[in-house]
Amino acid sequence: SQQGEEDPQALSIQEGENATMNCSYKTSINNLQWYRQNSGRGLVHLILIRSNEREKHSGRLRVTLDTSKKSSSLLITASRAADTASYFCATDAHTDKLIFGTGTRLQVFP
Amino acid sequence: EPEVTQTPSHQVTQMGQEVILRCVPISNHLYFYWYRQILGQKVEFLVSFYNNEISEKSEIFDDQFSVERPDGSNFTLKIRSTKLEDSAMYFCASSDRKGLSGYTFGSGTRLTVV
Repeated sequence: SQQGEEDPQALSIQEGENATMNCSYKTSINNLQWYRQNSGRGLVHLILIRSNEREKHSGRLRVTLDTSKKSSSLLITASRAADTASYFCATDAHTDKLIFGTGTRLQVFP
Repeated sequence: EPEVTQTPSHQVTQMGQEVILRCVPISNHLYFYWYRQILGQKVEFLVSFYNNEISEKSEIFDDQFSVERPDGSNFTLKIRSTKLEDSAMYFCASSDRKGLSGYTFGSGTRLTVV
């Protein structure tokens, strides 16, 4: 598998439910970032978690990082229809670039 | 909130033609990047730029590609002789602190090579 693989590839939920997306990576990292992309639009930075952090919160977002398993998860609580988008993890592996995952397409039904 | 601005939003060009994609990064950012996303695929790194020089580039960024920061505000990506496979969404990004904060991405230029 490649650096930054995400699952599920697609997720459909009802408004008010929680959405969990997972990301796995292969190399040692400096930090891991989550981005959101609305269809055909740019990438919006959501949250960055450093390699020495285990959990981070921002509003309705909760990100965890397990460096021993080389994995991260993004939890969106109390989802809204406006959360419908693709979500990508991206790893900063001590180089001057981000490696993006394959993304999870989230659909939230009202 | 500061934004990264990209122009044009959509460009159609004939195969073999040169294109220049333009970006205005956030003014106090020091690190600049180009990424691309072929339709339905991953976002791929092309090049990073710091202190007026390329700091890293990918295998995609061959001799047909070049970047420039001509005037201290604009950051451009030039493709000298476009190929059909260059059709993609091209994103510019900037960052103020390498590895310590997230990137701010522009809304992209959709390049269509016909």
